[in-house]
Amino acid sequence: KQEVTQIPAALSVPEGENLVLNCSFTDSAIYNLQWFRQDPGKGLTSLLLIQSSQREQTSGRLNASLDKSSGRSTLYIAASQPGDSATYLCAVERAGNMLTFGGGTRLMVKP
Amino acid sequence: DTAVSQTPKYLVTQMGNDKSIKCEQNLGHDTMYWYKQDSKKFLKIMFSYNNKELIINETVPNRFSPKSPDKAHLNLHINSLELGDSAVYFCASSPGYQETQYFGPGTRLLVL
Repeated sequence: KQEVTQIPAALSVPEGENLVLNCSFTDSAIYNLQWFRQDPGKGLTSLLLIQSSQREQTSGRLNASLDKSSGRSTLYIAASQPGDSATYLCAVERAGNMLTFGGGTRLMVKP
Repeated sequence: DTAVSQTPKYLVTQMGNDKSIKCEQNLGHDTMYWYKQDSKKFLKIMFSYNNKELIINETVPNRFSPKSPDKAHLNLHINSLELGDSAVYFCASSPGYQETQYFGPGTRLLVL
């Protein structure tokens, strides 16, 4: 059974800091890993998708890495802004087209 | 706007009732999903549906059933609602398997 864990559960940083969110998964037989953002009371917005054959993906100030063999992914956010405050979720896709989600990291960026 | 939409946004009902949540996507995607987010904010897949192929998470009670009248719609029917069904239900779609999923805004269900 696939289990996904995200550390830390919550993070508060001053504006401008670079930060790293961590995601680990127990079963390395995945098709891809996705990072999402969820704002309070809203749905999820896809940030990055890394295929199992890839090592990283970049979009603007976001960079996600994947080490499938060790079951780890990191989301790096450069020069954080108050607008980055949200819950960040990682999810791994396995057989049957099922996403298994981690519990999320609640990020607050203070002005 | 191109998007995944859900109705209703809020649903309050009594135990034992039967209810439906509608989902529509105008993205031209072939695959649709239903997820449940519980009070602790954990998101769990319930169903994925692609070209009439339904994949069910084995933990989902058979009181829950998805119905797809066409490729753009995947509605969720819930029979004999229980208190533990209270959650936020999200619909999502993707072009196909192993591709980025796009989520709807969620339906907040409260069973009294």
